[in-house]
Amino acid sequence: DGGITQSPKYLFRKEGQNVTLSCEQNLNHDAMYWYRQDPGQGLRLIYYSQIVNDFQKGDIAEGYSVSREKKESFPLTVTSAQKNPTAFYLCASKEHTNSNQPQHFGDGTRLSIL
Amino acid sequence: AQSVTQLGSHVSVSEGALVLLRCNYSSSVPPYLFWYVQYPNQGLQLLLKYTSAATLVKGINGFEAEFKKSETSFHLTKPSAHMSDAAEYFCAVSAAWGGTSYGKLTFGQGTILTVHP
Repeated sequence: DGGITQSPKYLFRKEGQNVTLSCEQNLNHDAMYWYRQDPGQGLRLIYYSQIVNDFQKGDIAEGYSVSREKKESFPLTVTSAQKNPTAFYLCASKEHTNSNQPQHFGDGTRLSIL
Repeated sequence: AQSVTQLGSHVSVSEGALVLLRCNYSSSVPPYLFWYVQYPNQGLQLLLKYTSAATLVKGINGFEAEFKKSETSFHLTKPSAHMSDAAEYFCAVSAAWGGTSYGKLTFGQGTILTVHP
C-alpha cells in the first residue's frame, strides 16, 4: 500500500535537546510538506520541498530545520531554539507542485516536553 | 495572499439532520479549494476538491460542497448526519496559478462536528 509513514507516533523532548521526526513516502511524489497543528489554529506550514535537495521556509520555520537528500524522505528537526515545540506535527506530499492536486497526509507525530 | 475563514469552531447536529459547515476564502488569484476531515490523533483525509470544473463538487461519505465565486464561499454539506461523521473538518485554499502562494495550502482553523444520537 502506498502512503506516508511518520515516526514515532509520540515523542518527548527534554529541555535543550534537538529531536528529529521522520517522514517517508512511497508514492513517488516530488513535493513534501511539514505542518504544525495546535488546537484551534488549523495547520501552519513549517517547511516544504518541491524536489530533492531543495527546500523552502514556510510561515513558521524558526526553530526548525529539514533536509531532502532522498525523494522519499523529508525529516524535520525540532531544535532547542524552538521554545514552544509541544504540538501535533503532520507531514504531507503531493505528486508535483501543480496546485490542483491534493496533498496526502501521514498520521502525525505528537511531540511533548518532559 | 490567501486566507480561509471557517465560521463556527464547533457545530452540533442530531443524527439524521443536515450538516452545514461554512467556509469563506480570500485569494488574489483564482483558487483551488479543498475540504479535509481529521479523526482524533490521525492525519487529514481528503473529502473533496474544487479545481475550476463543476461548481458543485461531490466527495466521499455523502458530502458535497458548492463553489460560489460571488460569495467567496465553499460550504460543506451532507443531507443526513451519521454518528461516524463526528470529526474535525478543515477547509483549505491554494492558488490556481502563480504568485508566492502557488502550490501551497492555507488552512482554516477547523470546525469540530459533534453528532448526537
